[in-house]
Amino acid sequence: GQNIDQPTEMTATEGAIVQINCTYQTSGFNGLFWYQQHAGEAPTFLSYNVLDGLEEKGRFSSFLSRSKGYSYLLLKELQMKDSASYLCAVRDRAAGNKLTFGGGTRVLVKP
Amino acid sequence: GAGVSQSPRYKVTKRGQDVALRCDPISGHVSLYWYRQALGQGPEFLTYFNYEAQQDKSGLPNDRFSAERPEGSISTLTIQRTEQRDSAMYRCASSKTGLAGGSSYEQYFGPGTRLTVT
Repeated sequence: GQNIDQPTEMTATEGAIVQINCTYQTSGFNGLFWYQQHAGEAPTFLSYNVLDGLEEKGRFSSFLSRSKGYSYLLLKELQMKDSASYLCAVRDRAAGNKLTFGGGTRVLVKP
Repeated sequence: GAGVSQSPRYKVTKRGQDVALRCDPISGHVSLYWYRQALGQGPEFLTYFNYEAQQDKSGLPNDRFSAERPEGSISTLTIQRTEQRDSAMYRCASSKTGLAGGSSYEQYFGPGTRLTVT
C-alpha cells in the first residue's frame, strides 16, 4: 500500500511563508494532489502535480520530485484565512488509481 | 452550479440499526467516490463508481457496508447492523471523469454526513 507522511501541525505568522512537506511511497505513482480543509468543512482542491517541478498558482505553489517521493506545498503571504488543514493525496496505479490521503497538516496562522 | 450534496447532514442511530446515506453529485460528473474521515485525519477511500458501475470497493470495511448508484447519478451508501465503531464523517466526492488513465480532474467533496452510533 501507500505510506504518506506529512507533519501534524505547523504555526506561522501572518504575512510569512510556510512550506508543508509530504513524502510518499508508491509502486505506481500517478499524480499528487493537495487539498485544503477548513475546520468542519469539506476538502477543496488546491493543486495537482504529476511531473517533476514547481506548479505556481497565486500565493500557493506545489513542488514534486518523483525520484525522491517528495512534494511540498508553499503558502506565501500568509493570511489568517489560510488557517486550515492541508491534505496531501497520492494516486497509485498499483492501487487502482484511487487517491490515498495523508493525515493532513494543520496550519495555524497567528497575527 | 450546485455542488455535491449529501443527506442527512447528521444521523444518530442506535447500534444494530441500518442507515442509508445519500449523495447527489455535481450534474454531469461521471465518477462518484465515498470516503470516511475520522477527526483530525485525511479521508479514507471506501468505494467508487463510474456511471452506475462500481469500479472499486476495496475500501469497504466489511460486508455490512454496501453502495449503489443505479442510474449513474445519485448514490446511496448503506451500513447494516451499525456498530459504534462505524461512527465517523462519511464524505462523498465527484469528478468529471474517473481514475483510469490518471486524469488530472480534481474531486469535489460534499459537506459529509456525520454518523453517530449510540
